[in-house]
Amino acid sequence: GDSVTQMEGPVTLSEEAFLTINCTYTATGYPSLFWYVQYPGEGLQLLLKATKADDKGSNKGFEATYRKETTSFHLEKGSVQVSDSAVYFCALSDRWGTSGSRLTFGEGTQLTVNP
Amino acid sequence: EAGVTQSPTHLIKTRGQQATLRCSPISGHTSVYWYQQALGLGLQFLLWYDEGEERNRGNFPPRFSGRQFPNYSSELNVNALELEDSALYLCASSLVQTNTGELFFGEGSRLTVL
Repeated sequence: GDSVTQMEGPVTLSEEAFLTINCTYTATGYPSLFWYVQYPGEGLQLLLKATKADDKGSNKGFEATYRKETTSFHLEKGSVQVSDSAVYFCALSDRWGTSGSRLTFGEGTQLTVNP
Repeated sequence: EAGVTQSPTHLIKTRGQQATLRCSPISGHTSVYWYQQALGLGLQFLLWYDEGEERNRGNFPPRFSGRQFPNYSSELNVNALELEDSALYLCASSLVQTNTGELFFGEGSRLTVL
């Protein structure tokens, strides 16, 4: 079945450092790919998405490119802030027929940014 | 526009009791999904409802059940609670007609079983 593998955490960075969180996937067909973020004590928020190969999703300085040849969707940010401290989840959509979809999530990566 | 809303925010029960969690999807969304986020276990798919019907369920025992009402809101029921049911339960909704696979999540209901 479909699966998502994220780099293990936790990740600790200093403010303004470069961030990369690796994500690779296994899927039949052509899934959409997502990064969700979970701030402490909150639910999940969509950070960015890409629906086809070579698409680049971007939001709030974060970027990820859908790489079909390497089955990857790595998350990057050039300069992290303390406020970026959260858990980041990579996910792919798993379509059911024409109407449903289920997100399959990676294990999550805890990011802590120190001032 | 209101997002996905869940209630209660926190719920404390004892082993063997029943818990009921509620979810209201974004207006116009007809599909509701439930996920369990237990400590150290990531996000596990529980149930999917669309147009009032259960469409799919994850690898959970039958004591996890739910329903979707005509206004598309949903309830998750957990019977015969066990300690390992302690988790954050997240509800999400989506609009089937423009289905890009994206789900919109609520803040979650944290269930603690003592």
